[in-house]
Amino acid sequence: QQQVKQSPQSLIVQKGGISIINCAYENTAFDYFPWYQQFPGKGPALLIAIRPDVSEKKEGRFTISFNKSAKQFSLHIMDSQPGDSATYFCAARRSGYSTLTFGKGTMLLVSP
Amino acid sequence: DTAVSQTPKYLVTQMGNDKSIKCEQNLGHDTMYWYKQDSKKFLKIMFSYNNKELIINETVPNRFSPKSPDKAHLNLHINSLELGDSAVYFCASSPKLSVTDTQYFGPGTRLTVL
Repeated sequence: QQQVKQSPQSLIVQKGGISIINCAYENTAFDYFPWYQQFPGKGPALLIAIRPDVSEKKEGRFTISFNKSAKQFSLHIMDSQPGDSATYFCAARRSGYSTLTFGKGTMLLVSP
Repeated sequence: DTAVSQTPKYLVTQMGNDKSIKCEQNLGHDTMYWYKQDSKKFLKIMFSYNNKELIINETVPNRFSPKSPDKAHLNLHINSLELGDSAVYFCASSPKLSVTDTQYFGPGTRLTVL
């Protein structure tokens, strides 16, 4: 049972374009939604996170959009750069718990 | 300075062997975790420890036994290794058992069982 569904599995974007990765969840007990970025051979690192009491959070070129009623959230990378090429994971944390449930990841390639 | 470190980085072993992976964090965090990342890059929580006490044990075979000698260390011992145990294992830590605390991941240990 996959609690956090992530799409697409892979994505190719031209330099300067917008990368969009989507996630959906079923469990309404989730109350924290981080995105992690993982480069090859490295551990995941927190990129940006959101709580469901806000609909959008922006940090530099990275924006999370959150739709509580649809139980969906997405990551937008503006002005995508080759250095953004990595695997991106959405995740969710259940209220009262510390562990994360991850989506299956999106491999992003930004072409020069 | 490495925040969360793991040793070894690579581990190649035969089926049936017993092996350990060590994890140390120098961040002063209270909570530590073990995750397994399979060949398709799917990340799944295995264990969570808070102040040296096991708080979460997901559906993991009892061949896997975590041990936390102190708050800064969480080791993973695996008995009778099987082919399906081949994966990358990540240790992580977070400041405290709280909803929004960031989890910091180690560099991973790639385990290959032959």
